[in-house]
Amino acid sequence: DIQMTQSPSSLSASVGDRVTITCRASQSISNYLNWYQQKPGEAPQVLIYAASSLQSGVPSRFSGSGSATDFTLTISSLQPEDFATYYCQETYSISWTFGQGTKVEIK
Amino acid sequence: QVQLQESGPGLVKPSETLSLTCTVSGGSVSSSIYFWSWLRQPPGKGLEWIGYVYDSGSTNYNPSLKSRVSISVDTSKNQFSLKLSSVTAADAAVFYCATALRSASHYMDVWGKGTTVTVSS
Repeated sequence: DIQMTQSPSSLSASVGDRVTITCRASQSISNYLNWYQQKPGEAPQVLIYAASSLQSGVPSRFSGSGSATDFTLTISSLQPEDFATYYCQETYSISWTFGQGTKVEIK
Repeated sequence: QVQLQESGPGLVKPSETLSLTCTVSGGSVSSSIYFWSWLRQPPGKGLEWIGYVYDSGSTNYNPSLKSRVSISVDTSKNQFSLKLSSVTAADAAVFYCATALRSASHYMDVWGKGTTVTVSS
């Protein structure tokens, strides 16, 4: 099984900050890496797919990069509505796996 | 735009079978562009992919749940369903149905709102 490790597990940041979340796969997954945002009491929503493609309707302050085993989600200027939990997901293997999540909190 | 709605009992007894249904609107469960998927999220924890059905009956399951899981599709009702047998307290979660695109990187672009299942006698 492929293991997905996100870091940090949580972070505190201020509005306007640049935020970076990393996701590491236990083996190469090419670019089969997606990022989701989940707010309390809501279903997740996809932000980035195929490592770096921005989903339609998602603000351009969100960006993704990486390939093989190391990936990054960047929020260029954190907005109040961005405080949420973020998950990476690999879909390279036959058994899709999520990272454990990164909770972004208000500083 | 496809919309999904989960339904089913909110309370299941230990050792029994959990059964949930996802009703599809705005699209057809016979569509070949999606994997029709189930996921779950235990209280306060992360997301776990359970499995999916496609091509009106082919399936792929999480190996950790494979012995207890069955996902099927009912094209006449435009629904797909999840059955999880021999449940324990560890199976209590919010269950989501979602569409995963068969192209691109199989990302899940449409989600239901989720339904909470409690396991208790």
